[in-house]
Amino acid sequence: GNSVTQMEGPVTLSEEAFLTINCTYTATGYPSLFWYVQYPGEGLQLLLKATKADDKGSNKGFEATYRKETTSFHLEKGSVQVSDSAVYFCALSRTQGAQKLVFGQGTRLTINP
Amino acid sequence: EAGVVQSPRYKIIEKKQPVAFWCNPISGHNTLYWYLQNLGQGPELLIRYENEEAVDDSQLPKDRFSAERLKGVDSTLKIQPAELGDSAVYLCASSLEGLAVNTGELFFGEGSRLTVL
Repeated sequence: GNSVTQMEGPVTLSEEAFLTINCTYTATGYPSLFWYVQYPGEGLQLLLKATKADDKGSNKGFEATYRKETTSFHLEKGSVQVSDSAVYFCALSRTQGAQKLVFGQGTRLTINP
Repeated sequence: EAGVVQSPRYKIIEKKQPVAFWCNPISGHNTLYWYLQNLGQGPELLIRYENEEAVDDSQLPKDRFSAERLKGVDSTLKIQPAELGDSAVYLCASSLEGLAVNTGELFFGEGSRLTVL
């Protein structure tokens, strides 16, 4: 079936550190891949996406590349800020059967000043 | 522009009691979703509406859960009777159209956190 596995959290970093949050997926067909972010007290919101192999999604200094050969979509940022503290969810869209988003379990990120 | 509005934000009830959650989607969004988010897990789809029609309710436990979207705007999710295992966050989301799952353009509310004692 379709599933998403994310790096276990919580992750705690110092400001300006390099961030990687790992995400791997299992899917039939060719899904689109997404990263959502949930800031404290807010709803989930789309951070970035990639719709086909080798695509790179980017937004707010975050990047993720759709790697079909390793079935991965790791989230990276070169220099994190305190305001990046949030929960990050990796997700894929099912392309066979009912249209549906499948989410990973989420990774809580805390950035200390 | 107002986002997706959910109420109540928090609800604490005794087991076997009924509970209802309300969602007002973004104006003009035809597609509405209810998701269940257990602690430490990602959201899981319960039901998806296209206007008034429930087009995917395969994951909704129909013995105790029900949902409606009268007039294709607001929606209500009900649990009756609630069980201890129903303690979770219930998320509502909306999108312009159903194929938004391919673009990821879903807009989520802040969620309703249910605690069943």
